[in-house]
Amino acid sequence: GAVVSQHPSWVICKSGTSVKIECRSLDFQATTMFWYRQFPKQSLMLMATSNEGSKATYEQGVEKDKFLINHASLTLSTLTVTSAHPEDSSFYICSANRGRKGYGYTFGSGTRLTVV
Amino acid sequence: KNQVEQSPQSLIILEGKNCTLQCNYTVSPFSNLRWYKQDTGRGPVSLTIMTFSENTKSNGRYTATLDADTKQSSLHITASQLSDSASYICVVSAEQAGTALIFGKGTTLSVSS
Repeated sequence: GAVVSQHPSWVICKSGTSVKIECRSLDFQATTMFWYRQFPKQSLMLMATSNEGSKATYEQGVEKDKFLINHASLTLSTLTVTSAHPEDSSFYICSANRGRKGYGYTFGSGTRLTVV
Repeated sequence: KNQVEQSPQSLIILEGKNCTLQCNYTVSPFSNLRWYKQDTGRGPVSLTIMTFSENTKSNGRYTATLDADTKQSSLHITASQLSDSASYICVVSAEQAGTALIFGKGTTLSVSS
């Protein structure tokens, strides 16, 4: 079945530094990947849609200069949290869709980011 | 407005008991509905997915139902186990550009011994 690998699973960084999170589709090609943010006891909130070979589409209220998304290949999308602050601490999850009409969404295992 | 509402918000049951989680949605045009299990600190894992024409779908001890007329779905868990303790999320896909997913807030299930 479809497997999406996310790395790292957790990361601690200092305020002001940047952190890169990788999302890979291991056994299928994904022209579109999605990045979510999840706060404790809350549901997933879509941050942006990552499009292979073109610019990402950001949801309203998400700073594109702070959350840089690169989708350089059909199997890899990266999310870089730039100049991280403690309020950026959260659980970040990616997903990829290998089927049409949203039938085959698979989520990564998530990345716990803690900014100190 | 496309929305997915789940109930109850949280649930505590004894190991071995059955339980049913509810999901009501107002998503249009409807494409499919899926139930995910999310363990703490992990990404969601798909349990079932149903399209408009499907009324029920089983995955082991998990059975999901869908009533497209009333726009309701349920997830029934039989003979619960401690490992079933998790958040269960109902997600509805809208058949539109971008295949948007609309997430419910989830039901937190705690199974105790």
